Amino acid sequence: QQQVKQSPQSLIVQKGGISIINCAYENTAFDYFPWYQQFPGKGPALLIAIRPDVSEKKEGRFTISFNKSAKQFSLHIMDSQPGDSATYFCAATNSGGSNYKLTFGKGTLLTVNP
Amino acid sequence: DAGITQSPRHKVTETGTPVTLRCHQTENHRYMYWYRQDPGHGLRLIHYSYGVKDTDKGEVSDGYSVSRSKTEDFLLTLESATSSQTSVYFCAISGGWAEAFFGQGTRLTVV
Repeated sequence: QQQVKQSPQSLIVQKGGISIINCAYENTAFDYFPWYQQFPGKGPALLIAIRPDVSEKKEGRFTISFNKSAKQFSLHIMDSQPGDSATYFCAATNSGGSNYKLTFGKGTLLTVNP
Repeated sequence: DAGITQSPRHKVTETGTPVTLRCHQTENHRYMYWYRQDPGHGLRLIHYSYGVKDTDKGEVSDGYSVSRSKTEDFLLTLESATSSQTSVYFCAISGGWAEAFFGQGTRLTVV
């Protein structure tokens, strides 16, 4: 059972364009939704995260949009740069649960062409 | 960077042999996790620990066992390695309220 569905699997964007990655979840107990960025040969690193009490969170060129009723959230990368080329994972968890663990989407390979 | 060290970073082993991967943290975090990463599957949880000697299974635990005798160390053992266990293995740690920090990964090849 895949609790977090991520799309697209891969994405190619021109420099300066907007990259959009979407995720949908099933478990209504989830209350923390982070995005991780992974470069080749490295471990994933937290990029930005949101809790469902807000509909949007922005940090620099990165924005998370959250739709609680649709159980969907998305990552927008504005003015995409070649250095943004990486694999992006969305994740979700119930932070108030007794055993804290993240459920990940399958990842999106983003390529930003110069 | 969070203090997480995975060892070894690379390993080639033969089918049927036991293999142990080690994760060491210096952050005193309660939670530790082992994930495997495979193309098309993303990050899948193998086992996790919520305290010393407290562990539980993840979604892909068959063929794997873990142990945590100290807060700082979490060991993953492949009891009898198979080719399907060729993967990149990541350890992660968390204080349990928000961010999880990942290690650099161990690339395991079973031949």
